[in-house]
Amino acid sequence: AQSVTQLGSHVSVSEGALVLLRCNYSSSVPPYLFWYVQYPNQGLQLLLKYTTGATLVKGINGFEAEFKKSETSFHLTKPSAHMSDAAEYFCAVSDRIQGAQKLVFGQGTRLTINP
Amino acid sequence: DTAVSQTPKYLVTQMGNDKSIKCEQNLGHDTMYWYKQDSKKFLKIMFSYNNKELIINETVPNRFSPKSPDKAHLNLHINSLELGDSAVYFCASSHPLHTDTQYFGPGTRLTVL
Repeated sequence: AQSVTQLGSHVSVSEGALVLLRCNYSSSVPPYLFWYVQYPNQGLQLLLKYTTGATLVKGINGFEAEFKKSETSFHLTKPSAHMSDAAEYFCAVSDRIQGAQKLVFGQGTRLTINP
Repeated sequence: DTAVSQTPKYLVTQMGNDKSIKCEQNLGHDTMYWYKQDSKKFLKIMFSYNNKELIINETVPNRFSPKSPDKAHLNLHINSLELGDSAVYFCASSHPLHTDTQYFGPGTRLTVL
């Protein structure tokens, strides 16, 4: 069964600093990997995804992530944090079932941006 | 234009009651999902329907029953509510040819007293 571990339940960075949110996965098949963002009192929004092909994927709002099979990792980065990036971030791996994707989420990382 | 909508947004009720949460999507998607987010923000899938057929059914108590009257709707009915059912419930949908991208609704915060 697939699983995801996010290292650090809370990450705090200064505005303009590098953002690095860590995610490691376990999967018995080539994984589909995702990062979702949840702003306060809102639903989840897809930031980026890796399915096949290029291992460095770019998403919305300047975020990117790199799939590293040898490290079973899919860390999320952004070169320069903005105050608007403060949110909860979820890494997920999917178990593909005919007609659907069963997303298995990590426990989430709360990102705080200091002015 | 709301893509995935849920009603109500907030639901406060007493233990033992029966309640329903409604979900509608106007994206033309065939697959819909229900997720539960607990007080520690942990998200877990509950159900998924594809074209009105149940295809994912996680280890959820029988008190939870999804109903899909058509492809655009997936409702969640909960019988005999318990304190532990308090959570935020999210509906999501995905396109039949692009199932790897799910679109989430705004969530329904259920509080059981």
